[in-house]
Order: sequence, then C-alpha cells, then structure tokens
Amino acid sequence: AQSVTQLGSHVSVSEGALVLLRCNYSSSVPPYLFWYVQYPNQGLQLLLKYTSAATLVKGINGFEAEFKKSETSFHLTKPSAHMSDAAEYFCAVSASGGSYIPTFGRGTSLIVHP
Amino acid sequence: NAGVTQTPKFQVLKTGQSMTLQCAQDMNHEYMSWYRQDPGMGLRLIHYSVGAGITDQGEVPNGYNVSRSTTEDFPLRLLSAAPSQTSVYFCASMGSNNSPLHFGNGTRLTVT
Repeated sequence: AQSVTQLGSHVSVSEGALVLLRCNYSSSVPPYLFWYVQYPNQGLQLLLKYTSAATLVKGINGFEAEFKKSETSFHLTKPSAHMSDAAEYFCAVSASGGSYIPTFGRGTSLIVHP
Repeated sequence: NAGVTQTPKFQVLKTGQSMTLQCAQDMNHEYMSWYRQDPGMGLRLIHYSVGAGITDQGEVPNGYNVSRSTTEDFPLRLLSAAPSQTSVYFCASMGSNNSPLHFGNGTRLTVT
C-alpha cells in the first residue's frame, strides 16, 4: 500500500520569497510521484512528475521537486513566488504491483502576500 | 481535444434520491477513476477501472456504483443520496501506469 503526507495544510509566503511545499511518501516498491496544482474552482493539472529518470524534476511555472529516496521525500520548490502561484497543491504517489491509480495527499494551500 | 468531460457541473439532491454523474474521455485511455474532494481531506479514491469491463473499489466506495462498458465512459451512480455525499467529484483518466492523470472540471454535489 502507498500513502502520502503533506506537511502543513497552509503555507504563507511573500511575493518573491522561496516556496517550499513538503511531501513524504510511503511505498514498498519504487514509486511514481506527482505534484498537481488546483486553482480556485478548477480541476487539477499536472505540475511535474518523477518516474526514476532523474532525481531533480523540473515542472511548469518555475517549479521543481527533488526525489530523495533516503528521506522518502519529494518536496516542491520555487525560488521566487508570484501572486499567480496562489493555489492548492497536491502530492500524489502510485506504484508498480498495484492498480497504478495514484493516492493523493491532503493538499497544501499556498498563500502569497504582496 | 475535449479531454475528460464531466456532467453536470452542479447538482442538488434530496436525501434518498439517486443520480448518475457522467464522465467521458476521448483520449483512448485505459485507466479511469473517480475521486471526491472534501476540505482538509484531499482527494479520496471512490472507484477505478483499468479497462473496459473491469472495475474495482477505492478508499471510499460505499454508496456508489460504477460500470465501464466502453473505454470512453465511466459513470458514477449514487444509489440513495446522503448528506455525507455532499462533495466535489472529479473524474480522471490516464493512458498508462506512469502517466499523469487528466482531470475533468468536477461536479459539485449538494445533498439536503
């Protein structure tokens, strides 16, 4: 079985500051990891994904995430926050040997102050 | 491409009523799934399908039925609506086991 823990239901940053959203996963087999973003009143869209090709993954809108097997983490970062980054962010994990249907974390709401 | 289409966008039901949430995708994806989104709970998997004729239960299946008679369609049926089923429902599809999910725009359901 797989699971995801997102630390912090809300993260508040100032515009221009570093964004760090934390995600830890549990999986008994090598995982596939994803970050999705949800803007208000919309569906989810993919930010980036890890599928074992490289541990540092670059996504859209300047976001990136680093897979750290020893820490079972896949934290999302962005060097400089923009007001338009305000949204809900979800980490998800899927794994071989099962259905491959992803399991989601509870989400982190990113608040960006001017 | 339309992608994943969900209907209706909004629905209000009375306790005990039944209804079907529709989901269709035009990407020929094998995998389809239904999630519900509740505040502070993230997305929880209700049912999923790995191909036409194959369905299975997710984390929160009680009170819901699904079928997958074609690759394109994956309807979700509420048998007897309860206030606890008030939620936003998302249908999603993916093409292979390490592909990202493609989401519909959601159905906001209120049960009174």
